[in-house]
Amino acid sequence: NAGVTQTPKFQVLKTGQSMTLQCAQDMNHNSMYWYRQDPGMGLRLIYYSASEGTTDKGEVPNGYNVSRLNKREFSLRLESAAPSQTSVYFCASSLDRIGNEKLFFGSGTQLSVL
Amino acid sequence: AQTVTQSQPEMSVQEAETVTLSCTYDTSESDYYLFWYKQPPSRQMILVIRQEAYKQQNATENRFSVNFQKAAKSFSLKISDSQLGDAAMYFCAYRSYNNNDMRFGAGTRLTVKP
Repeated sequence: NAGVTQTPKFQVLKTGQSMTLQCAQDMNHNSMYWYRQDPGMGLRLIYYSASEGTTDKGEVPNGYNVSRLNKREFSLRLESAAPSQTSVYFCASSLDRIGNEKLFFGSGTQLSVL
Repeated sequence: AQTVTQSQPEMSVQEAETVTLSCTYDTSESDYYLFWYKQPPSRQMILVIRQEAYKQQNATENRFSVNFQKAAKSFSLKISDSQLGDAAMYFCAYRSYNNNDMRFGAGTRLTVKP
């Protein structure tokens, strides 16, 4: 059972470089999310997609863009990376957008911006 | 915006003993959901237990149970018969009834001593 798959697992960028984090789920979930995790701050929502074809900003969207390519895939793009974007990034999915739906998480991407 | 506070950055427990992790939250809403997630060293976020605010009965999942005090806005996690595999970061999370934004606390690192 693959669940939620994120690539890459580790990445080092120089300030100003761009990159895309990929995420795919095989559970036929409608909603997908991107979180970042920083020490002492828990997880914060960057963007989410309630359903295929829709995306919305979360708590910390600045400096990021997302694409819901199809029902399975939800990518996160950093156009011009900054050291403040050094973090661990998690993709997650859930069957639906509301309620007590369980979130399924990927294993994370450790990103360092020098 | 809702905030989630975990006042214990670190906790430790002896194997087979019981430990309680604290969580408080701030909200003006009456309908919402609360969660505890576990993050072992593998980084994978795993749902431990969830509680609907409209339910007075505390949720239980095997050795894990919660003490939900709605008026006090408190949601603590009790782990009974602690096992070495319980060692992890534990995150408390809040989700509005009709909102995608799940708010996480900063986490509590639990150590289990053999």
